[in-house]
Amino acid sequence: DTAVSQTPKYLVTQMGNDKSIKCEQNLGHDTMYWYKQDSKKFLKIMFSYNNKELIINETVPNRFSPKSPDKAHLNLHINSLELGDSAVYFCASSGRLEQFFGPGTRLTVL
Amino acid sequence: SQQGEEDPQALSIQEGENATMNCSYKTSINNLQWYRQNSGRGLVHLILIRSNEREKHSGRLRVTLDTSKKSSSLLITASRAADTASYFCATDAGGGADGLTFGKGTHLIIQP
Repeated sequence: DTAVSQTPKYLVTQMGNDKSIKCEQNLGHDTMYWYKQDSKKFLKIMFSYNNKELIINETVPNRFSPKSPDKAHLNLHINSLELGDSAVYFCASSGRLEQFFGPGTRLTVL
Repeated sequence: SQQGEEDPQALSIQEGENATMNCSYKTSINNLQWYRQNSGRGLVHLILIRSNEREKHSGRLRVTLDTSKKSSSLLITASRAADTASYFCATDAGGGADGLTFGKGTHLIIQP
């Protein structure tokens, strides 16, 4: 069974569109995260959710909004996509200290 | 701001040799973790060392932490072709809930 899953794996879209990436974890973890990995492989935390409450929001444009319908899911909504949003987005979850990552969603904005 | 800086950025060695990667960070930490990322895949947790620990082993992995120098090293002994991947150090200042701050990573290539 996949511990942390994301859909879709690839997302190609036009500038200005709105898109969502879904994330689900079956590990029973309380905390979930979204990270962005740029073309140089640099990973940066975007959001974390603990028991459905947003804990941090690291200088991310408000076009990005995390939504958590329940403890097992943390979806990422992106409005008015820009070229600079092209990256790989990773969802992760943790129960204690180590984090478990999903396979990533490669977003390409044309 | 970026926390960790890995050194070297890329490393190519022969199978069977040992690989050493270094990481430096800037602020106080609760723990430091190392992750591996295979090409096109997600990150996999390798090992965690707490701020009050100096050395930790797990199989072929050995991690050291020097909080006075704000640095850590990851040693992979007896490397295998399957160890080819990018390796990232990540610092945790808040004990888990705040997310990790990653370095730029070291791309390790094991030549068969």
